[in-house]
Amino acid sequence: DAKTTQPTSMDCAEGRAANLPCNHSTISGNEYVYWYRQIHSQGPQYIIHGLKNNETNEMASLIITEDRKSSTLILPHATLRDTAVYYCIVRDPRAGGTSYGKLTFGQGTILTVHP
Amino acid sequence: NAGVTQTPKFRILKIGQSMTLQCAQDMNHNYMYWYRQDPGMGLKLIYYSVGAGITDKGEVPNGYNVSRSTTEDFPLRLELAAPSQTSVYFCASSSGRNTGELFFGEGSRLTVL
Repeated sequence: DAKTTQPTSMDCAEGRAANLPCNHSTISGNEYVYWYRQIHSQGPQYIIHGLKNNETNEMASLIITEDRKSSTLILPHATLRDTAVYYCIVRDPRAGGTSYGKLTFGQGTILTVHP
Repeated sequence: NAGVTQTPKFRILKIGQSMTLQCAQDMNHNYMYWYRQDPGMGLKLIYYSVGAGITDKGEVPNGYNVSRSTTEDFPLRLELAAPSQTSVYFCASSSGRNTGELFFGEGSRLTVL
């Protein structure tokens, strides 16, 4: 799986948009970009994923650059409950063998939403 | 749907004791996983299963065993607990169509003293 690079921490004011960047310059053509978050002491929560087109769901938007070397997760109106560690993961969902199920959760970005 | 349910939420073991962490999902997912997360670290895959009767090792399987007799249940067995197994354990499941979208349980916090 391609390696990802994320800032260690970010701050955001409540009600404002939170834009979390992720670099994945070695991404291959079959690999998708996934975002998860982990609120303190809870299990990771899937947020969104995409291949090359921008995606939006009820939680967030995902913007992937045309060259696919980077992406941005956007939380349009951050709330205090969005304070969490956000993980950007790149992988081929059809990978088998020793890569199966192997979501490589790096250090992620600690997002702190302030009142 | 309850999603993925893990029990117990907390457990303290003595060195050498054995125990089983239970995991059940009600989403009819064929794929199930066990991860461990050490403090300040990412998740590491212990074992996974692609369906009833089929299991395989992940990155860190030593000291653990699993079984998958039904689609719903995927228990994780620790035979001889060691302090190095002190961790938070997460069970997850996914459908077959998109194995990158996992649904996680709330975790089981295990301390071995």
